[in-house]
Amino acid sequence: AQTVTQSQPEMSVQEAETVTLSCTYDTSESNYYLFWYKQPPSRQMILVIRQEAYKQQNATENRFSVNFQKAAKSFSLKISDSQLGDTAMYFCAFMKLGGDDKIIFGKGTRLHILP
Amino acid sequence: GAVVSQHPSRVICKSGTSVKIECRSLDFQATTMFWYRQFPKQSLMLMATSNEGSKATYEQGVEKDKFLINHASLTLSTLTVTSAHPEDSSFYICSARESGEGYEQYFGPGTRLTVT
Repeated sequence: AQTVTQSQPEMSVQEAETVTLSCTYDTSESNYYLFWYKQPPSRQMILVIRQEAYKQQNATENRFSVNFQKAAKSFSLKISDSQLGDTAMYFCAFMKLGGDDKIIFGKGTRLHILP
Repeated sequence: GAVVSQHPSRVICKSGTSVKIECRSLDFQATTMFWYRQFPKQSLMLMATSNEGSKATYEQGVEKDKFLINHASLTLSTLTVTSAHPEDSSFYICSARESGEGYEQYFGPGTRLTVT
């Protein structure tokens, strides 16, 4: 069975700073996707970034980038130039390729961006 | 972009009654939809996978007779909480995967259920 672990329940950073959210996962699968989702106070789940396990290059989306270490089963999210609108709950998630499309979520990290 | 809606956004019902929550894919067809439950300040817990035209697949520990799922069309899945009790109060979220279009799932805005 797959598991996703987020070891930081809550974090706070000043606006414009860079912050890194940690995530580790456990799986015996070789083909899978990893995701970071954002859930703001509205509770709407928003896909921030995704990474295909077969790709060695780390995914980047504007101010958001990941550090994907497949051997270590680590998938951290870096937010650069943080903004007040980045305040949200962030979930790391795993999905096996070619399976039942189930997404397994970590417990989340609550991120506060301070003015 | 792909949009998923949920109705109602919030509902209050009395203990013992049933309540239905709808999940619709507005601009795409979804063979598969997923239903999650989220308690305050917790993660999303998958309840069941809804497949169009067939029975839903429930996760271990989820009572299929209590949480009835129907996926009657490629754009609509419903979750009915039967004989609701206060412990069923929660935030319910659905997601939908576009038929034949890879892996991405699109999430609805959620439904807050309060059972009094």
